[in-house]
Amino acid sequence: GAVVSQHPSWVICKSGTSVKIECRSLDFQATTMFWYRQFPKQSLMLMATSNEGSKATYEQGVEKDKFLINHASLTLSTLTVTSAHPEDSSFYICSARTAETMNTEAFFGQGTRLTVV
Amino acid sequence: DAKTTQPPSMDCAEGRAANLPCNHSTISGNEYVYWYRQIHSQGPQYIIHGLKNNETNEMASLIITEDRKSSTLILPHATLRDTAVYYCIVLVYNQGGKLIFGQGTELSVKP
Repeated sequence: GAVVSQHPSWVICKSGTSVKIECRSLDFQATTMFWYRQFPKQSLMLMATSNEGSKATYEQGVEKDKFLINHASLTLSTLTVTSAHPEDSSFYICSARTAETMNTEAFFGQGTRLTVV
Repeated sequence: DAKTTQPPSMDCAEGRAANLPCNHSTISGNEYVYWYRQIHSQGPQYIIHGLKNNETNEMASLIITEDRKSSTLILPHATLRDTAVYYCIVLVYNQGGKLIFGQGTELSVKP
């Protein structure tokens, strides 16, 4: 299947700083990318949907000013956690699909573990 | 959004078939059923998807009931490496094809 790569795999940052996570589709053009967050022992929670060249659509309850998403090209989306706090510590996962048709699978990155100290 | 219901956990003996059920009674006629699995601390891995016909690939088979209200994922010969959380998801129509994850089934394959 197609490859989606996230960077970094893990990051530790100080409280109050910002962290950027990159998500790249390596061998296909991703018209739509999704960002998820997963806390220990819980399922994935969708944070936002981004289409290349457009503003991201955030799920209810997700602060768009805190979680900045940029999807400037068909192969790269970034998630910036601004003014991170310990409660933002989580596993962040991106996924990408090639089209909005209902018969296209989404491929997931390996995830980024963020620890805010 | 069509919701899915799965048993929280299941055990399976190594080498035997693992049959994972999913209920999606509110599914719409043009919504696909997707299955993913997540091994601890990794991103979800795509397994299979279908609309109304049964599907098979190198990983698994997907059996969808005629009324489409439920489906079963079959891993024909489970191995220890198949231990993971398995998610049954109905694709959200008209919203960019986003996948909303439920709680999934934690499958433990035992020797």
